[in-house]
Amino acid sequence: DGGITQSPKYLFRKEGQNVTLSCEQNLNHDAMYWYRQDPGQGLRLIYYSQIVNDFQKGDIAEGYSVSREKKESFPLTVTSAQKNPTAFYLCASSGRPNQPQHFGDGTRLSIL
Amino acid sequence: RKEVEQDPGPFNVPEGATVAFNCTYSNSASQSFFWYRQDCRKEPKLLMSVYSSGNEDGRFTAQLNRASQYISLLIRDSKLSDSATYLCVVNSPRGNNRKLIWGLGTSLAVNP
Repeated sequence: DGGITQSPKYLFRKEGQNVTLSCEQNLNHDAMYWYRQDPGQGLRLIYYSQIVNDFQKGDIAEGYSVSREKKESFPLTVTSAQKNPTAFYLCASSGRPNQPQHFGDGTRLSIL
Repeated sequence: RKEVEQDPGPFNVPEGATVAFNCTYSNSASQSFFWYRQDCRKEPKLLMSVYSSGNEDGRFTAQLNRASQYISLLIRDSKLSDSATYLCVVNSPRGNNRKLIWGLGTSLAVNP
């Protein structure tokens, strides 16, 4: 079955700690995205990548970092510089940037 | 003016009712339009793409009005399972920085 897998489903971060959220897709999609969603809010774009070894900042990139070393994988690191990391994180992919995006089932990150 | 605007609702309708949502967009050069559905605490799922000539998928009809820069979603014979938040998505064609812009969503509650 083709799809996007995010892990873990729930994650807890201690203060000062960096954590990495995993996103893997087997849809052979070139473009991948990371969004953050806060309760009752819309999706906000953190980072996106249109091709391997290239990525662009979205609207709220501060305190986050990404890498795109393989087409299938686009991990997101939430660094200690992100002071308010508690949110629902969604990874998506699409064949091309203007095509529909398909989502993983998300990671919920909380502060300990 | 926001790039994509939706009435947040909530829309409360009885089962069997017909309900319509509109979504306005600001960039007249936008070419790709989508409706997504998001259930509480879940990832968004593609409901349908919106084509220039309008398109229908079962009880759902999507329309595009380029002159007035809005898209619409009509749901006929509402079911309890249609209760969700409906997200309007429009592409942002700014040079190489192509990405999708997400509305904040319209909440629908279908009541027995």
